Amino acid sequence: QVRPVQSGAEVKKPGASVKISCETSANTFTNYAVHWVRQAPGQRLEWMGWMNTGNGDTRSSQNFTDRVTITRDTSASTVYMELSSLRSEDTAVYYCASTVFFGQSRLDLWGPGTLITVSS
Amino acid sequence: EIVMTQSPDTLSVSPGERATLSCRASQSVSSNLAWYQQKPGQAPRLLIYSASIRATGSPARFSGSGSGTEFTLTISSLQSEDFAVYFCQQYNDWPLTFGQGTRLEIK
Repeated sequence: QVRPVQSGAEVKKPGASVKISCETSANTFTNYAVHWVRQAPGQRLEWMGWMNTGNGDTRSSQNFTDRVTITRDTSASTVYMELSSLRSEDTAVYYCASTVFFGQSRLDLWGPGTLITVSS
Repeated sequence: EIVMTQSPDTLSVSPGERATLSCRASQSVSSNLAWYQQKPGQAPRLLIYSASIRATGSPARFSGSGSGTEFTLTISSLQSEDFAVYFCQQYNDWPLTFGQGTRLEIK
């Protein structure tokens, strides 16, 4: 496995959307599942959702209702996570993590994180 | 959802001593439990999975035990690089959930 590479930090206004990218291994993209986890200041790690990169199936946490969308670009070996209707409480570091297992799993390799700041 | 509770919140231990960290699940997670280490400004790193199996690159001084609802991470002889925050995570059911973390600090 190759450690994921994530897009850079962003500042967003309340109500906007943000789309974060996570690039994994080019040669074995469909061999690894990708999960998204966030860490808000002073809060525990919070799982947001995951993608089966083999077939594109996704599952998101109910805590985010319809605000999270996970997509992929197989040709770019990249998974994207879009979070909409941003509010100040969404200020956090967002991590993607890859794992060899599809489904409920430990998270083998984590990206460096992407800081998203929501502020007016 | 399954709630993971770690204890203590902060543990002060001297280098060379043993550290024992606990994690409790609100319902059984079988052995589907992982431990992570996180240092300031870094992403979490997988240490232990399936409750007791060391991940690739994890030093032998780290060991995990337990099943069902009670789990323990033991660091046999603390090195300076071990002072960090440790999280447990269950993957027995959706959504995946994490403990609040235990901060291991130098005494």
